[in-house]
Amino acid sequence: KQEVTQIPAALSVPEGENLVLNCSFTDSAIYNLQWFRQDPGKGLTSLLLIQSSQREQTSGRLNASLDKSSGRSTLYIAASQPGDSATYLCAVGPDSWGKLQFGAGTQVVVTP
Amino acid sequence: DAGITQSPRYKITETGRQVTLMCHQTWSHSYMFWYRQDLGHGLRLIYYSAAADITDKGEVPDGYVVSRSKTENFPLTLESATRSQTSVYFCASIGTSYEQYFGPGTRLTVT
Repeated sequence: KQEVTQIPAALSVPEGENLVLNCSFTDSAIYNLQWFRQDPGKGLTSLLLIQSSQREQTSGRLNASLDKSSGRSTLYIAASQPGDSATYLCAVGPDSWGKLQFGAGTQVVVTP
Repeated sequence: DAGITQSPRYKITETGRQVTLMCHQTWSHSYMFWYRQDLGHGLRLIYYSAAADITDKGEVPDGYVVSRSKTENFPLTLESATRSQTSVYFCASIGTSYEQYFGPGTRLTVT
């Protein structure tokens, strides 16, 4: 059974520092890996989707890498801002039913 | 509105009542999902559907029923609500690139 782990569970950084969020998974036979952001009391917003054949994806200040052989993905957020404060979740899959396996998330606080 | 909509956004009900949470998507995505999110448990899959009239149980299906007569709608019914079903419920769908999209959620309180 696929297991997805995100460490640390919480992270606090000063504004301007780069953020590094980790996601690890046990089964490398994945179709893609997706990073989400969730603000308090809100739904999940898709940030980046990395197909299994790709090594990384970039969007603005966000860069996500994927290393299937080691079962790891890293989300980098450059020059963090207080508005980046949120919970970040990664998910891998999908299986034949389209289901994703989610990590528990990393709660990020960026202090001014 | 394009995307996934959920209604109601907030609901308070009493123990034993039947409650239906609605989910509507405008993309004609085949796969749809219902999750619940609770502190300490993260996201847990309740039910999922691969197409109209094709549904299956997820991780925590007890006490819930789903139907999918049309591709765009995927309602979730709590047959007899219990306090343990107090949660935030999210509907989601997957597109052709297998990117998952979430609705805004329904916050349900069972008193």
